[in-house]
Amino acid sequence: QKEVEQNSGPLSVPEGAIASLNCTYSDRGSQSFFWYRQYSGKSPELIMFIYSNGDKEDGRFTAQLNKASQYVSLLIRDSQPSDSATYLCAVPAGANSKLTFGKGITLSVRP
Amino acid sequence: EPEVTQTPSHQVTQMGQEVILRCVPISNHLYFYWYRQILGQKVEFLVSFYNNEISEKSEIFDDQFSVERPDGSNFTLKIRSTKLEDSAMYFCASSDQHQPQHFGDGTRLSIL
Repeated sequence: QKEVEQNSGPLSVPEGAIASLNCTYSDRGSQSFFWYRQYSGKSPELIMFIYSNGDKEDGRFTAQLNKASQYVSLLIRDSQPSDSATYLCAVPAGANSKLTFGKGITLSVRP
Repeated sequence: EPEVTQTPSHQVTQMGQEVILRCVPISNHLYFYWYRQILGQKVEFLVSFYNNEISEKSEIFDDQFSVERPDGSNFTLKIRSTKLEDSAMYFCASSDQHQPQHFGDGTRLSIL
């Protein structure tokens, strides 16, 4: 059974701070990793994906992948109250295959 | 921007009744999925569909569940005889070859 763990949280940061969200996964063969944002009562919304070791930046978001440690993280710079949501880490079983989701980390950005 | 659309947004059904949840995937996508999320729990995979057949299904997707792509645009999930524990948000998703999955807004299914 492939596992995706998001054990930290909930997380509360002040507006303008950096929020760091972490995720570990059990399948060493996993090749791609996705971060979805889910507002309360809404659907998951893709915000970042990463395939290669290292960092990938998109605006205020940076995804970091360390395949040796089976660890993927999401950094949100200059956090805004509108970033308050649950962030889901998701790992596919293969190309175009099912996603296994973590339980999510709830982020609250205090004005 | 193209999006996945789901109808209805909320479905209330008596236990034991059949329910059909409808989805229109993004038009050029080839891969279609159903997930569900029970309130307060993880998003769980139900089934994936490609080339007019099921490619993968979870243990949740038992004989009470079926999927269909009746025409070139719709993708449906049918629950034949609903149970109380089927109450959840049901999300449809679609993707292109080797691309991330995009989710619809979901259908909230309430079984009474």
